[in-house]
Amino acid sequence: AQSVTQPDIHITVSEGASLELRCNYSYGATPYLFWYVQSPGQGLQLLLKYFSGDTLVQGIKGFEAEFKRSQSSFNLRKPSVHWSDAAEYFCAVGANTGNQFYFGTGTSLTVIP
Amino acid sequence: DADVTQTPRNRITKTGKRIMLECSQTKGHDRMYWYRQDPGLGLRLIYYSFDVKDINKGEISDGYSVSRQAQAKFSLSLESAIPNQTALYFCATSPGGYVYGYTFGSGTRLTVV
Repeated sequence: AQSVTQPDIHITVSEGASLELRCNYSYGATPYLFWYVQSPGQGLQLLLKYFSGDTLVQGIKGFEAEFKRSQSSFNLRKPSVHWSDAAEYFCAVGANTGNQFYFGTGTSLTVIP
Repeated sequence: DADVTQTPRNRITKTGKRIMLECSQTKGHDRMYWYRQDPGLGLRLIYYSFDVKDINKGEISDGYSVSRQAQAKFSLSLESAIPNQTALYFCATSPGGYVYGYTFGSGTRLTVV
């Protein structure tokens, strides 16, 4: 069965510092992987996705993620965090059943000025 | 106007009452989804619909029903609300499955007292 684990419930970083949010997945085949961001009071917005090819994918808002099959990971990174990046971040894996997502439990990011 | 509109934004209701959450979209997407978000649990799929005549249960459909009135409208009903249905509910649309990404509404915060 497909599953997604986000080990960090909450992360606090200083503005300008680098960021890495962890995501591990369990999937029997080549996974389709996604990162979504949820700003306060808003719905989820797609940051980036990985289907195949280059294992380092670029997304919106300066985010990137790297697929590592050997580690079953798809970690999200940003070199320099801005205060506006404070939000909740969800990793998701695409499943064949019902053509739907399985979401992780989310990581809440706080940015300190 | 938003691409995916959910009404109401907030609702407080009493145990045992029937309540309907509505979702409408202007994206022209065939696929629509209802998710529930609980702290620490991420998003879980309640129901999904691939077209007006195709409605499917998700992983947590008990206690919920849906109606796809038109391509653009997908309503979620709680026939007899209970306190553990207190959550944030999201509607999402997609043109053809997760590979295209989902467009989410801003959510309905439901409190059952």
